[in-house]
Amino acid sequence: DARVTQTPRHKVTEMGQEVTMRCQPILGHNTVFWYRQTMMQGLELLAYFRNRAPLDDSGMPKDRFSAEMPDATLATLKIQPSEPRDSAVYFCASGEGGLSPFFGPGTRLTVL
Amino acid sequence: GENVEQHPSTLSVQEGDSAVIKCTYSDSASNYFPWYKQELGKRPQLIIDIRSNVGEKKDQRIAVTLNKTAKHFSLHITETQPEDSAVYFCAASILLRGTSYGKLTFGQGTILTVHP
Repeated sequence: DARVTQTPRHKVTEMGQEVTMRCQPILGHNTVFWYRQTMMQGLELLAYFRNRAPLDDSGMPKDRFSAEMPDATLATLKIQPSEPRDSAVYFCASGEGGLSPFFGPGTRLTVL
Repeated sequence: GENVEQHPSTLSVQEGDSAVIKCTYSDSASNYFPWYKQELGKRPQLIIDIRSNVGEKKDQRIAVTLNKTAKHFSLHITETQPEDSAVYFCAASILLRGTSYGKLTFGQGTILTVHP
């Protein structure tokens, strides 16, 4: 049963620190998404890639967030410097053919 | 860009009753509408989806209807059970032949509680 994996599952850090979240998409999926979930904003799309190329990162604060896919098996989302308002659950999802993506288990980030 | 509105934000029903969640979308180009279920502390999981070339789709106790003219779609759950309690999200997307990318815009979610 293929699944999207994410690490770490939980992260507590102090304001100003760098945070790196990693995602391994389902093998063969050509599209990777990063979503952020908060109670107030729901599920927000931060960025997504198709065939490793960034297609849209308009939902991402450019000054502190960056997303990359160094290879087909790894996607990363970095926050530098982190702020308390970045506290949320960050989901990676992968998909194929434009249909509904499969979500990973999420990284719960707390910035103190 | 696309905007998806979802109602109600909370829904409480008795076991065995039906539950209906409604969503409206703004972009008439949207042609793909999935529904996700998210249990507490878990990932969103796809439960059913519908494309704009059909008006209704069923899968056991779950059905989705789509009205393209009015730009709204609904999730219907019949014979609800306590394990149906979760947050349900609707979403809208544009599928383009040959270049589909599945960028989903989500509704705000509906907290469904099914009382035994």
